[in-house]
Amino acid sequence: EPEVTQTPSHQVTQMGQEVILRCVPISNHLYFYWYRQILGQKVEFLVSFYNNEISEKSEIFDDQFSVERPDGSNFTLKIRSTKLEDSAMYFCASSRTGEETQYFGPGTRLLVL
Amino acid sequence: GNSVTQMEGPVTLSEEAFLTINCTYTATGYPSLFWYVQYPGEGLQLLLKATKADDKGSNKGFEATYRKETTSFHLEKGSVQVSDSAVYFCALRMKTSYDKVIFGPGTSLSVIP
Repeated sequence: EPEVTQTPSHQVTQMGQEVILRCVPISNHLYFYWYRQILGQKVEFLVSFYNNEISEKSEIFDDQFSVERPDGSNFTLKIRSTKLEDSAMYFCASSRTGEETQYFGPGTRLLVL
Repeated sequence: GNSVTQMEGPVTLSEEAFLTINCTYTATGYPSLFWYVQYPGEGLQLLLKATKADDKGSNKGFEATYRKETTSFHLEKGSVQVSDSAVYFCALRMKTSYDKVIFGPGTSLSVIP
């Protein structure tokens, strides 16, 4: 069964450094999403992406964040200058259409020191 | 705004006990409803879903029925196993393009032998 994959599974970085989290959505999916889950808290929406542009973003998704689909298979989330409070599990998701179920990847656990 | 409320955890049950995790939602319109499960150290997996009133989603012995009149989507399982120990998230999504999944806070379930 096709699945969303994410790399790396874990990343440790110093405050102020840039990180790029990578996702490979399911191959025939056209809609892509990032969510995050701070330890012990709710899963929160960050951004949705379709047709090479952001469709919707939350208030969390400020100028420090960006997303990109650099080729036909990858979908990336970049954090330009990480803060301690960016430490969280980041989930990528994809769906075939805007109305269909979103399938989530296994997550990248980011720790900012 | 749209939101999801779940019963507070953690929930601890003995193996073969009956499970109910309550979930209610607030939404403008008629959303699709989901239960996602997060096993220890893993990502989010779709457990079951229902897209319209009176639909019943089921998977792996779990069931939930979309009740429009009570705006609820309670998760049930007749006989839990140790392997069901996980965090369960109730979620909704409005049936418009690009829209995000809104998660409840999650309910932690521990099943003891």
